Amino acid sequence: AQTVTQSQPEMSVQEAETVTLSCTYDTSENNYYLFWYKQPPSRQMILVIRQEAYKQQNATENRFSVNFQKAAKSFSLKISDSQLGDTAMYFCAFMKHRGYNKLIFGAGTRLAVHP
Amino acid sequence: NAGVTQTPKFRILKIGQSMTLQCTQDMNHNYMYWYRQDPGMGLKLIYYSVGAGITDKGEVPNGYNVSRSTTEDFPLRLELAAPSQTSVYFCASTESGTLATNEKLFFGSGTQLSVL
Repeated sequence: AQTVTQSQPEMSVQEAETVTLSCTYDTSENNYYLFWYKQPPSRQMILVIRQEAYKQQNATENRFSVNFQKAAKSFSLKISDSQLGDTAMYFCAFMKHRGYNKLIFGAGTRLAVHP
Repeated sequence: NAGVTQTPKFRILKIGQSMTLQCTQDMNHNYMYWYRQDPGMGLKLIYYSVGAGITDKGEVPNGYNVSRSTTEDFPLRLELAAPSQTSVYFCASTESGTLATNEKLFFGSGTQLSVL
C-alpha cells in the first residue's frame, strides 16, 4: 500500500520570502503521479502543481516549484516570493498510474504567511 | 457552470440517525468520488464511481453506502451515524480516469458533519 508523509504540521514564513514544504512517500510502483493541493480557510481544494514520475524535470507553476527525488521518494514544494494569499493547508498526494484518479493524501502542512 | 454541488453544507446528527449527503455535477463527468477529511488530517477516499451503475470501495468505506443511478448524481448514505463519522465530506469529479494528463479533479465545497 502507498503512504504519503508530511513531517511538518505547521510552517510560517514572512511575506516575499521563500519556504519549502516537505513530502515523502512510499510505493513499489514505478509509474505514478504526485500532486500538491492547497486548501485555504474556504475549504476549497485547489491543485497547485503536479509531477509525473517518469519525467526527470521538476515541475514549475509560476512561484511554485517542486524538487522531485524519485530514488529518495521525496517531493518537496518550494513557494517563492510568498504572498498573504498563500496562507492555507497544503496537502501532498500520490496517485498510481492508471489509478482511476484515486488520490492518497498526506496529513497536510499548515502554512502561515506573515506581513 | 455550477461544477460540483454538495448539500447540505453543515449538519448535526444524533448517534444512530441516518442521512444522505447529496452530490451533483453538471460537467457530464464519468468519474466521481467521496472523500472524508478528519480534523487536522488529509482526505481519505470512501467510495468512487467510474460511471452510472458502477461503484467501488475506497480506503474507508465502512459505515457508508453509495449509488450512481445517473451520471450527474452520486449520493453518500450514512445508515447508523457514529461519532467516528464526524468529519468534512468532499465530493469530487473528473471526466476520465487519466487525471495525470492535464485533466483537473473538481471538488465540491464540502459538507461538515458532526455526530453527537
